[in-house]
Amino acid sequence: GDQVEQSPSALSLHEGTGSALRCNFTTTMRAVQWFRKNSRGSLINLFYLASGTKENGRLKSAFDSKERYSTLHIRDAQLEDSGTYFCAAASSGSWQLIFGSGTQLTVMP
Amino acid sequence: NAGVIQTPRHKVTGKGQEATLWCEPISGHSAVFWYRQTIVQGLEFLTYFRNQAPIDDSGMPKERFSAQMPNQSHSTLKIQSTQPQDSAVYLCASSLGTNSAETLYFGSGTRLTVL
Repeated sequence: GDQVEQSPSALSLHEGTGSALRCNFTTTMRAVQWFRKNSRGSLINLFYLASGTKENGRLKSAFDSKERYSTLHIRDAQLEDSGTYFCAAASSGSWQLIFGSGTQLTVMP
Repeated sequence: NAGVIQTPRHKVTGKGQEATLWCEPISGHSAVFWYRQTIVQGLEFLTYFRNQAPIDDSGMPKERFSAQMPNQSHSTLKIQSTQPQDSAVYLCASSLGTNSAETLYFGSGTRLTVL
């Protein structure tokens, strides 16, 4: 079965608001990475976490290996934040990344 | 299907030498990606080809790094004048290239060690 369950699949926000994306894991993962797909289709890394939280500007991510989830919080959303966001996790003993199905974020004026 | 094939598996170079890494994508995949993985940074995007054409090289260091895809069956990543900070696992991935939320299939990587 799927090891990485990402939700929601689509999210609409008004400018200035915020929300959270979530990935649940069916097994213990040793690290998680969050990506955003840019306009050219490239996956650009946002965060890489082995534990705890990281913050960068209006984005904040958390990873709890024991509870098997990770979140990506977006605050004060801007129009340029629109795009597809992916989480990917590496299971113990492997560097292979297992990707979530993605969240299509649309930020509206 | 042998998956994405990367060679060599390990490469050790001296500082200042050149390193060339090879990638053979899955047959039929039109998108090829290069990533670099380190313990500190995780997976970092380097560059991306679609149908052999360079689409996005925004992650490539401006100096010393170059990538080519001369035909649909292989891509190379060349690092000139290697430095110790270039030490990392370099990963190649391919996908169908359909612009959907598609799966990236990664190779086993090339572990580059610059002494």
